[in-house]
Amino acid sequence: AQSVAQPEDQVNVAEGNPLTVKCTYSVSGNPYLFWYVQYPNRGLQFLLKYITGDNLVKGSYGFEAEFNKSQTSFHLKKPSALVSDSALYFCAVRDRTDSWGKLQFGAGTQVVVTP
Amino acid sequence: DAGVTQSPTHLIKTRGQQVTLRCSPKSGHDTVSWYQQALGQGPQFIFQYYEEEERQRGNFPDRFSGHQFPNYSSELNVNALLLGDSALYLCASTPPGQVLSGANVLTFGAGSRLTVL
Repeated sequence: AQSVAQPEDQVNVAEGNPLTVKCTYSVSGNPYLFWYVQYPNRGLQFLLKYITGDNLVKGSYGFEAEFNKSQTSFHLKKPSALVSDSALYFCAVRDRTDSWGKLQFGAGTQVVVTP
Repeated sequence: DAGVTQSPTHLIKTRGQQVTLRCSPKSGHDTVSWYQQALGQGPQFIFQYYEEEERQRGNFPDRFSGHQFPNYSSELNVNALLLGDSALYLCASTPPGQVLSGANVLTFGAGSRLTVL
């Protein structure tokens, strides 16, 4: 069975400061890992993914994430947060052995960026 | 280019009723997945359709059923509604070949918000 944990319900950060949203996962084999963002009254939007290779993945809107196999983590980061980054962020995992690839999402982390 | 479109956007039903939600995938996409997002929770996988067949199913009872049509659009049906079925129902689509290749980037619709009274 696969699972995803996002230990923080909410992250507060001032505009211009670095932003980190934490994610840890559990999967039987090697995972595919994803980050999605959800704005109010909108569906989820894809930010970035880790498939293989370089542990640092760069994505949309200046976001990046670091895959750490030993710590089973995939934390999302942005060097300088914007007020417009305020949204709900979801980490998701897919088991590579799952042919049809359903995603297991975490519970989400609300990011609040203050001016 | 329209993305994933879902209808209706909001609806209210009473316990025991049945509901049908509709989804049109993004142009060029052929695989449709449905997720349930309860308030304060992450999306939970319901099922996935490809070539008009249910390919994978999550931990949902048989009251939840679906269909995919030849034009790749899809329906989600829920029978005998319970209060706990109140949620945002998200449809997501995937381009050909991505699901089996692992890349699996989902394009989500804005969802249908179901309230069961």
